Amino acid sequence: GESVGLHLPTLSVQEGDNSIINCAYSNSASDYFIWYKQESGKGPQFIIDIRSNMDKRQGQRVTVLLNKTVKHLSLQIAATQPGDSAVYFCAETTDQGAQKLVFGQGTRLTINP
Amino acid sequence: GAVVSQHPSWVICKSGTSVKIECRSLDFQATTMFWYRQFPKQSLMLMATSNEGSKATYEQGVEKDKFLINHASLTLSTLTVTSAHPEDSSFYICSARTGSLYYEQYFGPGTRLTVT
Repeated sequence: GESVGLHLPTLSVQEGDNSIINCAYSNSASDYFIWYKQESGKGPQFIIDIRSNMDKRQGQRVTVLLNKTVKHLSLQIAATQPGDSAVYFCAETTDQGAQKLVFGQGTRLTINP
Repeated sequence: GAVVSQHPSWVICKSGTSVKIECRSLDFQATTMFWYRQFPKQSLMLMATSNEGSKATYEQGVEKDKFLINHASLTLSTLTVTSAHPEDSSFYICSARTGSLYYEQYFGPGTRLTVT
């Protein structure tokens, strides 16, 4: 579905702690998911992706978990750094058509020193 | 690699005028480019999909006569906001993808449009 809402959920964590950002996706037919990081005044930056035939994928300091049963996606960031402060969006798409991305609401992550 | 640029980065225009925003893939050929709009504190909303050499496909609710998209080459797509009004003020972001098997899109830095 389309993202709605005027207020972004926020998450504040202490520098060095781990953070978990959650996302509920809407289309049970979606088979590819991406997490993006967006800093103020900039375009989204690719972080990590996962296909629907997987339930976990790890990158550098990041892990994405996918639970298709409840249509839930999470992004775990380990040992957070000040540079991790940004808005994080999940996006979903299907394997058909133009691979249009549908973005979730977004979560603002703030890293406290 | 995979750099997408947008020009201008910000623009202020008067109500009733038209504004053109360029999106370029700098180091790859983009078979498909996407245009998004993002209002403050909101998510990205897809406006249209453009394929090189063909007409853009607009999302429901997006006026194609108001938001003109031209994908003239594999490295350039333009979005023209015609007869702009203050409600068109927004952050416009383009993305580009290659013809690879992956669906990853490379996003531009965005263009902040303010209509006065």
